[in-house]
Amino acid sequence: RKEVEQDPGPFNVPEGATVAFNCTYSNSASQSFFWYRQDCRKEPKLLMSVYSSGNEDGRFTAQLNRASQYISLLIRDSKLSDSATYLCAVIPGAGNMLTFGGGTRLMVKP
Amino acid sequence: SAVISQKPSRDICQRGTSLTIQCQVDSQVTMMFWYRQQPGQSLTLIATANQGSEATYESGFVIDKFPISRPNLTFSTLTVSNMSPEDSSIYLCSVRDRRTGELFFGEGSRLTVL
Repeated sequence: RKEVEQDPGPFNVPEGATVAFNCTYSNSASQSFFWYRQDCRKEPKLLMSVYSSGNEDGRFTAQLNRASQYISLLIRDSKLSDSATYLCAVIPGAGNMLTFGGGTRLMVKP
Repeated sequence: SAVISQKPSRDICQRGTSLTIQCQVDSQVTMMFWYRQQPGQSLTLIATANQGSEATYESGFVIDKFPISRPNLTFSTLTVSNMSPEDSSIYLCSVRDRRTGELFFGEGSRLTVL
């Protein structure tokens, strides 16, 4: 089993839709969780960190479910500009290294 | 967040040659990380570049193939040696915010090996 797994998609949604991605992790001792966004032919950029209590930034909401070992990203009122690949990342255990999921591709269409 | 500059941004190389990628950070950092992203894939950590000591390589990556230098706290290089088409990838330099754990990336170096 991979350390961090995501549904690769693509998720094709119309503008204005709400879409959610999940990301599962295997190491129950993982402490830090992040969502990154990667546009085509660009480097990944941090979208948001995921806190135990969940956090929201505008149309984006991230949540952590420790019992089931997954994190989620919810995007409300999707925009065309949200089209990208969304990567989850986890620091497993007490290490320094970030482990990335395979990414979920989102395509928002008019 | 740190500003990370990489060069070259892209290159096309012949099989059997080597290419050195440079990474410059605008602040002093203890660790710098080198990732690879093969076409259509996610990011895989190659090694951690430590200032004053040898780099720490991940499983599947060796120093002879990917030698790394870290001469000071703001700079690192990654060399891709004796390249083959399988080395065609984006190579990304990154640094970590010590307080939050967040990882920030350079723009990446897109390598195509013919």
